Amino acid sequence: AQSVTQLDSQVPVFEEAPVELRCNYSSSVSVYLFWYVQYPNQGLQLLLKYLSGSTLVESINGFEAEFNKSQTSFHLRKPSVHISDTAEYFCAVRSYSGGYQKVTFGTGTKLQVIP
Amino acid sequence: DAGVTQSPTHLIKTRGQQVTLRCSPKSGHDTVSWYQQALGQGPQFIFQYYEEEERQRGNFPDRFSGHQFPNYSSELNVNALLLGDSALYLCASSNGQGAKESPLHFGNGTRLTVT
Repeated sequence: AQSVTQLDSQVPVFEEAPVELRCNYSSSVSVYLFWYVQYPNQGLQLLLKYLSGSTLVESINGFEAEFNKSQTSFHLRKPSVHISDTAEYFCAVRSYSGGYQKVTFGTGTKLQVIP
Repeated sequence: DAGVTQSPTHLIKTRGQQVTLRCSPKSGHDTVSWYQQALGQGPQFIFQYYEEEERQRGNFPDRFSGHQFPNYSSELNVNALLLGDSALYLCASSNGQGAKESPLHFGNGTRLTVT
């Protein structure tokens, strides 16, 4: 079984301040890790992914996440947030077994950027 | 390049009725997965279709069924609707049923309200 925990349901932060959205996972097999962003009334958009290689991955809009295998974490960070970053962020893990993939999402963290 | 498209965008049904939701995958994708996202929750996996067959299924009752057509588009059918079926239904496509390099691409979803 695999699970994803996003402990913070809401994170308010002032514009231009740094932010960290936490994600912890559990799985009995190797996993691939993803962060998705969801704007109001829209579907999920892929923000960044960790498949292999460097444990630090970056997105084109300044977000980064670091895969920490020992702590089973994949926290999302941004050094300076903008109003446009206000959205809900979902962490997801993907595993493979018997040729089939299983994707599990966390419950989401709402990031509210305050002007 | 068209992304994942879903129709309709909104739907209101009465308890006991049946509903059909439609999804066209991103160009070049052959695998379609359906997710249910209740208010304030992360997406929950319903099932996945590949080569016109249901390949995997989440913890959803048989009232939820689906179909994939030769052009890779897909339908989600829900019978005997319950109030608890009210949610955002998301379709996600990917390339290759077990392809590790292919992340999920989501549509904007269908908002189903059951009264």
